Amino acid sequence: NAGVTQTPKFQVLKTGQSMTLQCAQDMNHEYMSWYRQDPGMGLRLIHYSVGAGITDQGEVPNGYNVSRSTTEDFPLRLLSAAPSQTSVYFCASSYYGQEGEQFFGPGTRLTVL
Amino acid sequence: TQLLEQSPQFLSIQEGENLTVYCNSSSVFSSLQWYRQEPGEGPVLLVTVVTGGEVKKLKRLTFQFGDARKDSSLHITAAQPGDTGLYLCAGINSGGYQKVTFGIGTKLQVIP
Repeated sequence: NAGVTQTPKFQVLKTGQSMTLQCAQDMNHEYMSWYRQDPGMGLRLIHYSVGAGITDQGEVPNGYNVSRSTTEDFPLRLLSAAPSQTSVYFCASSYYGQEGEQFFGPGTRLTVL
Repeated sequence: TQLLEQSPQFLSIQEGENLTVYCNSSSVFSSLQWYRQEPGEGPVLLVTVVTGGEVKKLKRLTFQFGDARKDSSLHITAAQPGDTGLYLCAGINSGGYQKVTFGIGTKLQVIP
């Protein structure tokens, strides 16, 4: 099993550009989530999904969209990138939800100029 | 918003030394998790503690959940270079959408 995979590993955007961060898992987990990790801030929940077709907002959802058309995939879209979105983004999946063990992807380091 | 404070934020020690890192909150959690994150990778779960006062051991790592379920500690005995990484605690609530709160982490460097 590959676990949780994320692409790309690194990305540089200009302010105003849009892009999609890809996330896929092969563990048949219903629960998936997106976090951002910033120095001094810890991991903060952006959006999460409890199953295909169901998504909801986390702590810091502004500027991001998600969709969940399949159990395996959970892409994160940046609509109009801003320098404040410079961060490392992690996708995670879990069998039991946030309360259970979360399996994290390797992360995407995004820089917005 | 629940907050989890971790201390120290940075720790650099020699191989073979012992260390303790702390995770504190004013809020009660239903359980608490510890993750380790290595550079360029995502966090990996080490342990979940559920009962107040619970102690769990993972080889040279000892985890304790406070009696009041507001705090936790991680003790490493005879640290090794392979222990180097960022240690994150995560407080878990059983209710609401924001079920997990992460601390900012303790960055540990073990020097050979």
